[in-house]
Amino acid sequence: EVQLVESGGGLVQPGGSLRLSCAASGFTFSSYWMSWVRQAPGKGLEWVANIKQDGSEKYYVDSVKGRFTISRDNAKNSLYLQMNSLRAEDTAVYYCARDSVAYGDYVSNFDYWGQGTLVTVSS
Amino acid sequence: DIQMTQSPSTLSASVGDRVTITCRASQSISSWLAWYQQKPGKAPKLLIYKASSLESGVPSRFSGSGSGTEFTLTISSLQPDDFATYYCQQYNSYPSLTFGGGTKVEIK
Repeated sequence: EVQLVESGGGLVQPGGSLRLSCAASGFTFSSYWMSWVRQAPGKGLEWVANIKQDGSEKYYVDSVKGRFTISRDNAKNSLYLQMNSLRAEDTAVYYCARDSVAYGDYVSNFDYWGQGTLVTVSS
Repeated sequence: DIQMTQSPSTLSASVGDRVTITCRASQSISSWLAWYQQKPGKAPKLLIYKASSLESGVPSRFSGSGSGTEFTLTISSLQPDDFATYYCQQYNSYPSLTFGGGTKVEIK
């Protein structure tokens, strides 16, 4: 059974940092693009970042470029999101999501999602 | 960046109704469109990919159509479990992905 379990969320002050983790199981983690998608309270979904199977390509939405870093450890079946210089507008539930195509050259859509972890940026 | 616009933002319907949700792209995305269902407090669930392909395990009352800039998600006969929020997502502009604003399907 495919499982994605996020952790690391919490309350942080503006300008602070947080590192999210996503533990994957039930599939060959190293075969899939992985992404982070967030959802502000009462709002819609926003793609944040994605990373290729071997970590060689990483992409970000403009609003987090230079502040967030996506990474992965295929030996540990884990995905990470390092978030620095956090702002109030980064407050959201952050989901880890798996691309639906194994060995894909391009990112597409998401067939498995974690339960999400809440990040609150407030003083 | 490609913008995705969904309509309506809210839809009131009854069990058994045929429901149609529209998603429009700001430029052509071919058929690179997915639809998701999300219930309160839960992660989104993939329903449709490549505009019209039904994800495994998804009931056949869900269907998708369209190409280019205009797409629709249709629920042929609304069931109690279908009251939720629906999102479209384009994946034509790799690696940047964008979602529509969502359509909430409420009980009439």
